[in-house]
Amino acid sequence: GQQLNQSPQSMFIQEGEDVSMNCTSSSIFNTWLWYKQDPGEGPVLLIALYKAGELTSNGRLTAQFGITRKDSFLNISASIPSDVGIYFCAGQIGGSNYKLTFGKGTLLTVNP
Amino acid sequence: DADVTQTPRNRITKTGKRIMLECSQTKGHDRMYWYRQDPGLGLQLIYYSFDVKDINKGEISDGYSVSRQAQAKFSLSLESAIPNQTALYFCATSDFAGSDEQFFGPGTRLTVL
Repeated sequence: GQQLNQSPQSMFIQEGEDVSMNCTSSSIFNTWLWYKQDPGEGPVLLIALYKAGELTSNGRLTAQFGITRKDSFLNISASIPSDVGIYFCAGQIGGSNYKLTFGKGTLLTVNP
Repeated sequence: DADVTQTPRNRITKTGKRIMLECSQTKGHDRMYWYRQDPGLGLQLIYYSFDVKDINKGEISDGYSVSRQAQAKFSLSLESAIPNQTALYFCATSDFAGSDEQFFGPGTRLTVL
């Protein structure tokens, strides 16, 4: 089945720094989603991408749908302490296959 | 009020016991999902349902069963719980007529002793 490689597994940064994380796959996906999970909570959707090459922003977050449709990137600018959490990418083939394949997550720690 | 709710939020049980986790949603979505989360492993799909009469196995369905009682309710059962089923369990919903985005509940932390 499809697998997503998400990197890095964890990041420790200082408040104010920019952050980049990415997901890659050997399979083509038609939708890429980025979620954030706070401790003790369920994942919350941050950004959804539906078109190869698409670049979408949500406040300080920017995500891109790779042109090959096999990767996606999430950037966080000017990090703040509340950015702490686990970030997951998820890909979907689409068509008759609506299942999401999740990456294993990137644990982000922001030092004030 | 939360759109996707799960009960209980925490449960401790013993090996061999039958456990039911419940999920309710007020989003009006047709599709519902159960995931399991283990540290470092991300989210793994257990079962999913596209409507009340449709139930499908996910990646890790062994040892689990589900029931879609209504459009808004989807329950997950562990017929005979075992320690390696200790995990966080999440319910999610999505809209058939809308986007592919899935919306998650707050999770149930299950511990099997």
